[in-house]
Amino acid sequence: DAKTTQPTSMDCAEGRAANLPCNHSTISGNEYVYWYRQIHSQGPQYIIHGLKNNETNEMASLIITEDRKSSTLILPHATLRDTAVYYCIVRVAGGTSYGKLTFGQGTILTVHP
Amino acid sequence: DTEVTQTPKHLVMGMTNKKSLKCEQHMGHRAMYWYKQKAKKPPELMFVYSYEKLSINESVPSRFSPECPNSSLLNLHLHALQPEDSALYLCASSRTGTSGSYEQYFGPGTRLTVT
Repeated sequence: DAKTTQPTSMDCAEGRAANLPCNHSTISGNEYVYWYRQIHSQGPQYIIHGLKNNETNEMASLIITEDRKSSTLILPHATLRDTAVYYCIVRVAGGTSYGKLTFGQGTILTVHP
Repeated sequence: DTEVTQTPKHLVMGMTNKKSLKCEQHMGHRAMYWYKQKAKKPPELMFVYSYEKLSINESVPSRFSPECPNSSLLNLHLHALQPEDSALYLCASSRTGTSGSYEQYFGPGTRLTVT
């Protein structure tokens, strides 16, 4: 699976949009981009994933560049409860009946009042 | 219901003890996973079960012994652990299929301390 690069930490004001970047310049055509987050002392939580097109769900939006070498997770109106470590993971699709996740160091997002 | 439950929440064991961690899900997922997370580090995959068969063992020492007795349950048997095995042990589950695009649902973890 392709390696990802994320900033170590980011800050965001409550109520503002949080934009978390991820670089995955060696991504292959059959690899998905996944985002998970982990709030302190809890298990990771799935946020969103995409292959080529931008995706949106009730939690966030995922913007993938046309060359697929980078992506941005957008939390449209950050709250204090969004303070967490955010992991960007690239994972190959197909081939096996299950999915193996390889977590990088992630980005520590701190949302301030 | 998208919940994965893990018991116990906390466990303290001596190096000569035998203990087990338990994980349960009722989402009909046929892939289940064990991860280990040391303090301030990302989770690391240990084992993957697919359709109750061990599919991946990430070179985990034999003092960790996984078991999948049925499609809803996943156990991790612990024996003769070392203090450096102290960590948060996370269980996860997912749907299966060759498209490989299925998200994993994680439990809250078991905080293990080996004394």
